[in-house]
Amino acid sequence: DGGITQSPKYLFRKEGQNVTLSCEQNLNHDAMYWYRQDPGQGLRLIYYSQIVNDFQKGDIAEGYSVSREKKESFPLTVTSAQKNPTAFYLCASSLSSYNEQFFGPGTRLTVL
Amino acid sequence: QKEVEQNSGPLSVPEGAIASLNCTYSDRGSQSFFWYRQYSGKSPELIMSIYSNGDKEDGRFTAQLNKASQYVSLLIRDSQPSDSATYLCAVNIAGGTSYGKLTFGQGTILTVHP
Repeated sequence: DGGITQSPKYLFRKEGQNVTLSCEQNLNHDAMYWYRQDPGQGLRLIYYSQIVNDFQKGDIAEGYSVSREKKESFPLTVTSAQKNPTAFYLCASSLSSYNEQFFGPGTRLTVL
Repeated sequence: QKEVEQNSGPLSVPEGAIASLNCTYSDRGSQSFFWYRQYSGKSPELIMSIYSNGDKEDGRFTAQLNKASQYVSLLIRDSQPSDSATYLCAVNIAGGTSYGKLTFGQGTILTVHP
């Protein structure tokens, strides 16, 4: 089955810890994205990557970091510098930046 | 002015009625337009893509695009309770030197009551 997987589904973090969220796709898509969604809010772009070994900051990149070493994978690290990390994190991919994006199931992060 | 604006709703329609969801965008250079459905606690699911002026139909869904008015809409015919969800409008903003950035509206909550 082709698709996008994210893990874990739920993640709990203590203050001061870094955590890494996984995103994998087997759709052979070039572009991948990370969004954050807060309750009752729209999606906000954190980082995006149009090609392997290249990525750009989105609208709310502070406190986050990413890597794109493989076409299939685009992990997101939420660092201790992110002051309010509790949110629903969504990974997406698309053939190119002008095509429709398909979303993974999401990771719900809670800071304890 | 927000780049992509939707009526926040909530929009409530009876079962079997037509639900009409509206979206306006600010960038005249925008090239592609999408509607996503998001059930509570789930990730967005693509339901329609539209790239040129006019109507595009897919089953009970019709997307309408008017680039001159910078307006895109989604009609859901014969609405069912299972259509109750948040509908997100997304526009590929192609301004300046940025890549085709997909910008989402805040979403419209639709409730279909029996």
